[in-house]
Amino acid sequence: GAGVSQSPRYKVAKRGQDVALRCDPISGHVSLFWYQQALGQGPEFLTYFQNEAQLDKSGLPSDRFFAERPEGSVSTLKIQRTQQEDSAVYLCASSDAIGRDRGTDTQYFGPGTRLTVL
Amino acid sequence: AQKITQTQPGMFVQEKEAVTLDCTYDTSDPSYGLFWYKQPSSGEMIFLIYQGSYDQQNATEGRYSLNFQKARKSANLVISASQLGDSAMYFCAMRGPFSGGYNKLIFGAGTRLAVHP
Repeated sequence: GAGVSQSPRYKVAKRGQDVALRCDPISGHVSLFWYQQALGQGPEFLTYFQNEAQLDKSGLPSDRFFAERPEGSVSTLKIQRTQQEDSAVYLCASSDAIGRDRGTDTQYFGPGTRLTVL
Repeated sequence: AQKITQTQPGMFVQEKEAVTLDCTYDTSDPSYGLFWYKQPSSGEMIFLIYQGSYDQQNATEGRYSLNFQKARKSANLVISASQLGDSAMYFCAMRGPFSGGYNKLIFGAGTRLAVHP
């Protein structure tokens, strides 16, 4: 079946512009995560949705970052007034698990959106 | 706090040989999960293998196996019979504590593997 898709794959923005990054999770997956991956580093958690509810946004770096998943499927990560330090790959992942302390709850990742802020 | 450490920024291996990528972790949670992901140049994170802290046996998936040493807090990935297509970044990750109904992943810095013909 189809995996996680993200669009656009590449985005170049001028400093100060607003951007919107889209994630289409695997159909039926309850959990959706956003991660930020700076160049040469591992991904870092941004925010988590369980269906349409945003249960954790503790990783969002500033109030310029906003995420939504209004119908519990597609999610959008919006960055307002982009800054150069926002340049990174933004990864979306989904899982059919609600979360557990045992067993496999594998997160499946999309190809990411590479954001470059000039 | 939970932490994943990958001490090998880069590794190379000859095609058809085996290679071990190191991963150590730190957690005070008795229940945790460890994952390995592959990230080729295309950018997608590809799930390879999972090991639960309560699993009695080391995980295996085809050419991938996980050398899980709980007392040493290590979870090394072993790739047997390396192929040119194995060249990529490899990330070790740990499932965070089960809190609030979800588990986020905590990643290491990654190891870049180059397979030479």
